[in-house]
Amino acid sequence: GESVGLHLPTLSVQEGDNSIINCAYSNSASDYFIWYKQESGKGPQFIIDIRSNMDKRQGQRVTVLLNKTVKHLSLQIAATQPGDSAVYFCAERRSGYSTLTFGKGTMLLVSP
Amino acid sequence: NAGVTQTPKFQVLKTGQSMTLQCAQDMNHNSMYWYRQDPGMGLRLIYYSASEGTTDKGEVPNGYNVSRLNKREFSLRLESAAPSQTSVYFCASRGAGGNNEKLFFGSGTQLSVL
Repeated sequence: GESVGLHLPTLSVQEGDNSIINCAYSNSASDYFIWYKQESGKGPQFIIDIRSNMDKRQGQRVTVLLNKTVKHLSLQIAATQPGDSAVYFCAERRSGYSTLTFGKGTMLLVSP
Repeated sequence: NAGVTQTPKFQVLKTGQSMTLQCAQDMNHNSMYWYRQDPGMGLRLIYYSASEGTTDKGEVPNGYNVSRLNKREFSLRLESAAPSQTSVYFCASRGAGGNNEKLFFGSGTQLSVL
């Protein structure tokens, strides 16, 4: 999950495994959440998003789960591939605001 | 359709020098944003422009100024660069309306201030 400090939390998995990346958000007034993937030397790339009126949303090989009770967000990647290796960021948006607040990221390393 | 384009990709400055980072988007988006990214710190919002003609401070605006030149372009200026501004800078844009929430990012500008 997300953490404070210079070193990113890292999740190491084998190719073909399912990956789960966790994120704790801070503001109970947040109504929109989003996951980004950032490969080395590139800008963040949109993966999937979810509104607070939903608990789950599925995309291609990815699922986002939202637990508002404990303010927790997770990204599940099915059948992880080496190309999934990257840093993953969650972000939240407070209701009524137009800006996103990002978490500090989790590095996913996928071994062949 | 290039999306969000940032220039330059790399820049080295001496302390006290000034420079402007350029950003342009071709998606007809209303809102544009400047973030900085430091190791272990995620992305922090510097300034944003919710629409043409408006700009607002984000989380870390000190030492920066912005200009929303037109709907396409949003520039970030460092008037007197400091080593603490060594970072990777990302510009992003977002469309209008309730279904256009996600930000589209440029590829970044890596800035070193010596």
